[in-house]
Amino acid sequence: AQTVTQSQPEMSVQEAETVTLSCTYDTSESDYYLFWYKQPPSRQMILVIRQEAYKQQNATENRFSVNFQKAAKSFSLKISDSQLGDAAMYFCAYSGGTGNQFYFGTGTSLTVIP
Amino acid sequence: EAGVAQSPRYKIIEKRQSVAFWCNPISGHATLYWYQQILGQGPKLLIQFQNNGVVDDSQLPKDRFSAERLKGVDSTLKIQPAKLEDSAVYLCASSLDPFAIGAEAFFGQGTRLTVV
Repeated sequence: AQTVTQSQPEMSVQEAETVTLSCTYDTSESDYYLFWYKQPPSRQMILVIRQEAYKQQNATENRFSVNFQKAAKSFSLKISDSQLGDAAMYFCAYSGGTGNQFYFGTGTSLTVIP
Repeated sequence: EAGVAQSPRYKIIEKRQSVAFWCNPISGHATLYWYQQILGQGPKLLIQFQNNGVVDDSQLPKDRFSAERLKGVDSTLKIQPAKLEDSAVYLCASSLDPFAIGAEAFFGQGTRLTVV
């Protein structure tokens, strides 16, 4: 079964600084995607960034980038120039296999300190 | 484009009562998911529909939970009878193409259920 592990329940970062959130996963699939979703207090999950396992190049979306280490099954999220609006729960998620099910980690609560 | 709509936003019921949640996915999205998110945990998949057929309901407690998706559009999730441990946020999500691995799932704002 696919599992997603986030070992940092809480993280904090100074505004304008950089923070990295960690995620590891386990799968026997060869074709899959990895995601980072953001969940603000409003509860609506918003996609931050996604990475296809076959692509060696790390995905980047503006201030958000990932470090995807396929052999190590590691998928970390780097947030540069942190802003107050980045404060939220961040969930790492895996999707693969038939049916495109999503499996989520337990989340990391990010606090941005002004 | 309108997002995934869920109602109600909040619900408080007593244990052993029944409750129903409603979800309207994004128009044209074939796949619909119901997730249960207990406080401090990540979302756990309860059931996945592709159009009006069930793809995966392996984690749905079928003795008390039921879900349907009529005509492959709206969906309802029901709990009867509710237990204290059912207190959670119930998230509905949809995605466009059930066969496209990596298709983004779009989420609603969820329904927070409190069972007292």
